[in-house]
Amino acid sequence: GAVVSQHPSRVICKSGTSVKIECRSLDFQATTMFWYRQFPKQSLMLMATSNEGSKATYEQGVEKDKFLINHASLTLSTLTVTSAHPEDSSFYICSARVGTGQETQYFGPGTRLLVL
Amino acid sequence: KNQVEQSPQSLIILEGKNCTLQCNYTVSPFSNLRWYKQDTGRGPVSLTIMTFSENTKSNGRYTATLDADTKQSSLHITASQLSDSASYICVVFTGGGNKLTFGTGTQLKVEL
Repeated sequence: GAVVSQHPSRVICKSGTSVKIECRSLDFQATTMFWYRQFPKQSLMLMATSNEGSKATYEQGVEKDKFLINHASLTLSTLTVTSAHPEDSSFYICSARVGTGQETQYFGPGTRLLVL
Repeated sequence: KNQVEQSPQSLIILEGKNCTLQCNYTVSPFSNLRWYKQDTGRGPVSLTIMTFSENTKSNGRYTATLDADTKQSSLHITASQLSDSASYICVVFTGGGNKLTFGTGTQLKVEL
């Protein structure tokens, strides 16, 4: 099946620094990528949807200036957590979809962010 | 409001036993329903995909059912293994598959 990778898998940073997370579709071109956040024992919460070459669409309550999303190519999307704070510590998961078909969305392995 | 509810919230079973996880949804318009397995610290991996017209679908030891009339789905795991220990998430796709509504998951632990 299709593979979506994320890098890094785990990151620890100091409060106030920025962290970039990469999401790549390895064997297909993703027209749309999604970024989710998951807190312990909770379900995935959609943060934003990004289409290649256009601005991301953020869900209500998600600060677009804090969570910068870039979808520069059909195989790469990045999420930058700017001026990270301890409350941003979470598990970030990306998902990639090709075309508009309902059966073509794949999740990455996630990135664990810990802000000290 | 679109919602997906799962039960039980957590479950402990002995290795080799069977179990059934439940999912009730109030999602409209319905596109398809998927069960995912999420290991700790990993992203979700799809187990089954079911469209409106499908009642049962199997994937190895996993069998999913769907009753579109009552808006219920179940995931049956046969002959459980230690590696089945994970969170199982029911996800309903809506609006032509463009929107996802996630259940809160069932945490399954398989013990010796």
